[in-house]
Amino acid sequence: QLQLQESGPGLVKPSETLSLTCTVSGGSIRSGHYSWAWIRQPPGKGLEWIGSIYFSGNTYYNPSLKSRVTVSLDTSKNQFSLNLSSVTVADTAVYYCARHPLIIVGVGEFDHWGQGTLVTVTS
Amino acid sequence: EIVMTQSPGTLSVSPGERATLSCRASQSVGSKLAWYQQKPGQAPRLLIYGASTRATGIPARFSGSGSGTEFSLTISSLQSEDFAIYYCQQYSDWPPLTFGGGTKVEIE
Repeated sequence: QLQLQESGPGLVKPSETLSLTCTVSGGSIRSGHYSWAWIRQPPGKGLEWIGSIYFSGNTYYNPSLKSRVTVSLDTSKNQFSLNLSSVTVADTAVYYCARHPLIIVGVGEFDHWGQGTLVTVTS
Repeated sequence: EIVMTQSPGTLSVSPGERATLSCRASQSVGSKLAWYQQKPGQAPRLLIYGASTRATGIPARFSGSGSGTEFSLTISSLQSEDFAIYYCQQYSDWPPLTFGGGTKVEIE
């Protein structure tokens, strides 16, 4: 059974870089059938897609965050990571990692999610 | 960017009743539309993909319909565990992948 687990600091100072890792178990991130994503949810608000990475290493980012986001793969550890630079209080959110299948054109729905981790930006 | 608009924002329903949630896309997404359920303190759970296909393990009381720009999620007979927030999401045109703002289904 596929499981995803986010890890990383729960507190980040303004202007610093938020770094999170998603560890995948029960499946390989090297599978050519899936892409791996980060999604966030500010407290009491809706969901925002941050970015996705293909097994090939190709990345796609939300244009609203693109200048600050990097998503990367570590196939040796079956992990993928998120770096979000120059954070502000507006980046305070629960951050989820998720999987979505590759379809004939593009990607599909998010079929597996991690439990989420709250990151608070505060001085 | 495709904007997803969900209505109503809150739906008050009695257990056993039928609930219909709506989702509108700002441009056609074909059938590339998913629905998720989120309970407090939990990650979203995939209910429906391809606008109308139930995900693995999802009860038959959940059904999705629509195509193009207008979609709906119907819960035929609400159970106590169905009171939650529901989100739609398009995966037709990206980046970005976009979600609706959510509909909260609460007990009347």
